[in-house]
Amino acid sequence: GNSVTQMEGPVTLSEEAFLTINCTYTATGYPSLFWYVQYPGEGLQLLLKATKADDKGSNKGFEATYRKETTSFHLEKGSVQVSDSAVYFCALSQGTSYDKVIFGPGTSLSVIP
Amino acid sequence: EAEVAQSPRYKITEKSQAVAFWCDPISGHATLYWYRQILGQGPELLVQFQDESVVDDSQLPKDRFSAERLKGVDSTLKIQPAELGDSAMYLCASSLAGDRVHEQFFGPGTRLTVL
Repeated sequence: GNSVTQMEGPVTLSEEAFLTINCTYTATGYPSLFWYVQYPGEGLQLLLKATKADDKGSNKGFEATYRKETTSFHLEKGSVQVSDSAVYFCALSQGTSYDKVIFGPGTSLSVIP
Repeated sequence: EAEVAQSPRYKITEKSQAVAFWCDPISGHATLYWYRQILGQGPELLVQFQDESVVDDSQLPKDRFSAERLKGVDSTLKIQPAELGDSAMYLCASSLAGDRVHEQFFGPGTRLTVL
């Protein structure tokens, strides 16, 4: 079945450091890929998405490129801020009419000043 | 900005009791989802509605969980009787129907603790 694997956390970085959170997936066909973020005490919110191979999603300085050859969708940011501290979820959707989304386990990020 | 509303935000109950959670999706969103998120894990879909119809409840423990969306707008998720293992965050989300790549908008969740 479809699944998403993420690097284990927690990840702790100093402010302005480079961030990479690895995500790989298993799916049939051509899923859409997402990164959701969950700030403390809040629900999840969509950070970025990509719907086909080689697409790059970007938002708020974060980027991820849909790599079908490696079945990966790694999240990157060049310079993290304290406000980026949150849990990041990689997810996929088969894009069928019922659009079921499968989430990875999440990676907790803490950014220290 | 339109948001998904959920209540209550926190619920503490004893095992074998009944609990209910309420969700009001963003106006105009035909698709509504209930997820369970265990601490340290990603959300797991419990049930998905398209308007008032259930389109996926394959992961819903139907012996104790039930969900309804009678008028295709707000929704209620019920657990009866609650068990210790039900302690988790219950998230509601909604999205527009008809778009191949639906963005799901999540509510703040209800944190359930079963004692």
